[in-house]
Amino acid sequence: GAGVSQSPSNKVTEKGKDVELRCDPISGHTALYWYRQRLGQGLEFLIYFQGNSAPDKSGLPSDRFSAERTGESVSTLTIQRTQQEDSAVYLCASSPTGGRITEAFFGQGTRLTVV
Amino acid sequence: AQSVSQHNHHVILSEAASLELGCNYSYGGTVNLFWYVQYPGQHLQLLLKYFSGDPLVKGIKGFEAEFIKSKFSFNLRKPSVQWSDTAEYFCAVNAGNTGKLIFGQGTTLQVKP
Repeated sequence: GAGVSQSPSNKVTEKGKDVELRCDPISGHTALYWYRQRLGQGLEFLIYFQGNSAPDKSGLPSDRFSAERTGESVSTLTIQRTQQEDSAVYLCASSPTGGRITEAFFGQGTRLTVV
Repeated sequence: AQSVSQHNHHVILSEAASLELGCNYSYGGTVNLFWYVQYPGQHLQLLLKYFSGDPLVKGIKGFEAEFIKSKFSFNLRKPSVQWSDTAEYFCAVNAGNTGKLIFGQGTTLQVKP
């Protein structure tokens, strides 16, 4: 079956532009997660969704970052007025259940470069 | 707040050497624990996980990890590494019913042939 799909796989944007990153989770997965991975660093938690609500947005770095999810389907991470420090790989994961997580399945990520 | 600490940032071993990567977490309640691996150019994959029961869990490719509750640790081990184990390894914790999965900073393992 299909895994977690992210698009685009690569995105180069000019500083100050807005970008939208898309994540299609595995069908039927309740929970969805966004992480940021800067070069040479670990996974930084951004936000997670339980269905289409976001119980924890504590990881969003600033108000330039926002995310939404349609039902238990696709999610979009939007970064407004991009800055060079936003350059990173943005990873999405989904899990069959929220609460106690049994396993999170990851996509390939979107590599964002802000020039 | 939950946090996960991986003590070794970069490990270099020769083939057939034994491996132990440290992972400690901060949370006093029930946890689910995970080790993920990221091979060069590939996405993150689950290596093994612990929910309850036997604190020694076995995963894919000969890896195992031991949950020591008193030490808040979940160290990853492999008796004899191979060149193909070269990758980045991440420890992750899901605390209670928070629905949140927190990762450590990762350990880069380089195995010399």
